[in-house]
Amino acid sequence: GAVVSQHPSRVICKSGTSVKIECRSLDFQATTMFWYRQFPKKSLMLMATSNEGSKATYEQGVEKDKFLINHASLTLSTLTVTSAHPEDSSFYICSALGSGQVEGNTIYFGEGSWLTVV
Amino acid sequence: AQKVTQAQTEISVVEKEDVTLDCVYETRDTTYYLFWYKQPPSGELVFLIRRNSFDEQNEISGRYSWNFQKSTSSFNFTITASQVVDSAVYFCALRPASGGSYIPTFGRGTSLIVHP
Repeated sequence: GAVVSQHPSRVICKSGTSVKIECRSLDFQATTMFWYRQFPKKSLMLMATSNEGSKATYEQGVEKDKFLINHASLTLSTLTVTSAHPEDSSFYICSALGSGQVEGNTIYFGEGSWLTVV
Repeated sequence: AQKVTQAQTEISVVEKEDVTLDCVYETRDTTYYLFWYKQPPSGELVFLIRRNSFDEQNEISGRYSWNFQKSTSSFNFTITASQVVDSAVYFCALRPASGGSYIPTFGRGTSLIVHP
């Protein structure tokens, strides 16, 4: 199956700093990627839909100036948490919409990134 | 609007028992995809299956089987002879197959605990 790689898997940053999380589709081109946030023992909360070459579409209540998303190529989308605060500490997961005959129409997830803001 | 309901928040079984995870969905789309994902404690969501709305054949993969009933809008997942390694949170998801929106809707997940 298709592989989506997310990096870093764990990151600790100081309050007020910014942190970037990368999401790569390793063996397929992903024109659409999704970014989720997951709180402990909760479901996935969609933050934004990222389309290659265009601005991301943010869900209601998600600050686009705080959670910067860039989808500059067909295999890479990045999420930058700017001026991070402890309440931003969470598990962030990216996913990519597969392409091609075999993986097409299936959504594949990265390994997730645990962000801790101290 | 789409909705996916996983009414079982947590299920606890003993190893070797069979267990069924329920998933009921609502959609106005005539064509759509249904998915199941497994999220072990490590956090990664592992893709298990995708089912097209026009294909109501049930599927079996090893100890896993899926029962798609369009008439009742259900897509249930059964694990036969459960094992401790099956302990995880399982998510059911739905997304339209047409209309330009690829955004999936996830259920709240069912936490499965398999005791040795």
